[in-house]
Amino acid sequence: IAGITQAPTSQILAAGRRMTLRCTQDMRHNAMYWYRQDLGLGLRLIHYSNTAGTTGKGEVPDGYSVSRANTDDFPLTLASAVPSQTSVYFCASSLLEKGEQFFGPGTRLTVL
Amino acid sequence: GQNIDQPTEMTATEGAIVQINCTYQTSGFNGLFWYQQHAGEAPTFLSYNVLDGLEEKGRFSSFLSRSKGYSYLLLKELQMKDSASYLCAVTDSNYQLIWGAGTKLIIKP
Repeated sequence: IAGITQAPTSQILAAGRRMTLRCTQDMRHNAMYWYRQDLGLGLRLIHYSNTAGTTGKGEVPDGYSVSRANTDDFPLTLASAVPSQTSVYFCASSLLEKGEQFFGPGTRLTVL
Repeated sequence: GQNIDQPTEMTATEGAIVQINCTYQTSGFNGLFWYQQHAGEAPTFLSYNVLDGLEEKGRFSSFLSRSKGYSYLLLKELQMKDSASYLCAVTDSNYQLIWGAGTKLIIKP
């Protein structure tokens, strides 16, 4: 792995289903983030983690949960998907002190 | 509240110069970033300003005035591949990035 990866690349999901988006980084960054990006709204922070074992809520956390069991992985779970969660989801990581964030390629999620 | 403002869309001609402005109001300031995002791709880092003044990197320059809560990204010798969205983001007192909605730059031949 080089950098930050996300899976799946895209997914179509029925409303009410549970879905986990995966994110893995190999840059030894302590901080990781999940964003959603919708047309005209820019990037909105869903959840973040400043270090393994800790997580925090961002601007739009409702309907989403995260865990940070180790430094490399930061999965995002939709417990019961709704159509308003249709979006492009980006995972990012950074060295907290520096702030520059590196982004994964994104997951395009459609909830029907 | 925290707020980042930048124009929604700009058009420029190949070979010309364009300036994309960004104004911000945030709780604390620990630096300002500019990112480039091509359609369907992830944002990629362009520049970082933490002190007042101009940072130059090839065809791209970024300026910051902390007292005015203002930054701009200057793109010179525009090329068709510069057609993209340009995102302004500010690191607040908690080291969280606050993002603008982005400026879509259209380059015409």
